[in-house]
Amino acid sequence: DVKVTQSSRYLVKRTGEKVFLECVQDMDHENMFWYRQDPGLGLRLIYFSYDVKMKEKGDIPEGYSVSREKKERFSLILESASTNQTSMYLCASRSWGDGYTFGSGTRLTVV
Amino acid sequence: AQRVTQPEKLLSVFKGAPVELKCNYSYSGSPELFWYVQYSRQRLQLLLRHISRESIKGFTADLNKGETSFHLKKPFAQEEDSAMYYCALARSGGYQKVTFGTGTKLQVIP
Repeated sequence: DVKVTQSSRYLVKRTGEKVFLECVQDMDHENMFWYRQDPGLGLRLIYFSYDVKMKEKGDIPEGYSVSREKKERFSLILESASTNQTSMYLCASRSWGDGYTFGSGTRLTVV
Repeated sequence: AQRVTQPEKLLSVFKGAPVELKCNYSYSGSPELFWYVQYSRQRLQLLLRHISRESIKGFTADLNKGETSFHLKKPFAQEEDSAMYYCALARSGGYQKVTFGTGTKLQVIP
């Protein structure tokens, strides 16, 4: 069974901390994505990557950065966590022409 | 810019009644349209996509380019259909960026 794995299901961090969210896929997909999911706002794209070391800003990149050193791994970094970044974070991967495969999500709470 | 609109936040129907979840989009090119579903405490998963023209779990969706719509339909709702449904649009080609709607929660009343 194909998988997108997010390393943490729940995470609690303090304001100002640097936070790393990890995502690994085993499908050899070229494209990987980070979204945040908030009630009433749906899914909003933060960053995506279409190849190793390549990245593109999504719709809400402010306060975030990403890293893709290997094809299977895509990391989301919150440089200095703030309370308005409390959310559910979803990683997804996709091969050209296919639908997304999503991870189970990381619920991040910033206190 | 690409945009997806799901006008209903919540749709309640009785078991056995027909279901229609609305989705409208705006995009100047030729889009790929998808429906994703998220059951309680499960991950988002692909339900169907317009190019495959499949029927999954009794759901169908037809792309209407004239009305820029991709409504999701099912003739008889089942309790297990209760979930959050997201319509999504991807550019054909390009970097495959996908834009999601805000979602509609379908509640099937027994």
